[in-house]
Amino acid sequence: GNSVTQMEGPVTLSEEAFLTINCTYTATGYPSLFWYVQYPGEGLQLLLKATKADDKGSNKGFEATYRKETTSFHLEKGSVQVSDSAVYFCALRGAAGNKLTFGGGTRVLVKP
Amino acid sequence: DADVTQTPRNRITKTGKRIMLECSQTKGHDRMYWYRQDPGLGLRLIYYSFDVKDINKGEISDGYSVSRQAQAKFSLSLESAIPNQTALYFCATSDSDGSEQFFGPGTRLTVL
Repeated sequence: GNSVTQMEGPVTLSEEAFLTINCTYTATGYPSLFWYVQYPGEGLQLLLKATKADDKGSNKGFEATYRKETTSFHLEKGSVQVSDSAVYFCALRGAAGNKLTFGGGTRVLVKP
Repeated sequence: DADVTQTPRNRITKTGKRIMLECSQTKGHDRMYWYRQDPGLGLRLIYYSFDVKDINKGEISDGYSVSRQAQAKFSLSLESAIPNQTALYFCATSDSDGSEQFFGPGTRLTVL
C-alpha cells in the first residue's frame, strides 16, 4: 500500500534560518504529492502540491520538487519567520485518486 | 464564516458512552472525510463519502460509524467510547477532483 515517511521533529530554528523537512514515499504508479500545514489550534490547510515528476510546487516562500527517482518531496524555505511555526504534513494521493495518505507530521518551532 | 465547521470543538466523556461528532460544509463539495490525529501518527482515515449514498471504510473504521445526512453534513459516531479513542478528530471535504482537501478546525475528544 501507499505510505509516507517524514522526518520526526521537533525542528527548532532561529528566525531567517534555512528549513528543510525531508519526505519520502512509497506508492504504485504516479501519485500526486502535497504539503499541508497545521497552525496551532487550526485544521490542516494545503501549502503546495505537485502532480507529476520534476514539478515544483511553491507557496509563501516554501518549495518542494517531485523527485520520482528518489521518491522524495522535500520541503524547503530559505528564510523562516516566527509565523512559520506549525506542524507540516507530507501527503500523497495515489493513482486511484480517491484519498490521501499522510506522513506523521513534523513540528517546526521558529524562535526570534 | 468558516467553510467547514465541526461541533463540538471539545468533548470529555466516559468509557461506554455514545458520542456523535458533527461536520457541516458550505463549499458545495460532494466528498467528505473523517480523520483522527494522534501525536507522531499523522492523520488516519476513518471513513469517507463521495456522495450522499456512498460510504466507505478507511484504514481505522473499527469502533466508529458514520452517517451522511445530506451533501453538506457528515457525522461520526462512537457507539461505545473507549480511552484509546482519545484523539483530535478532523472532518474534511473535497470536490470530485480530490486534489485539495479542506479541513475543519477539529474536535478534541477525551474518553476517560
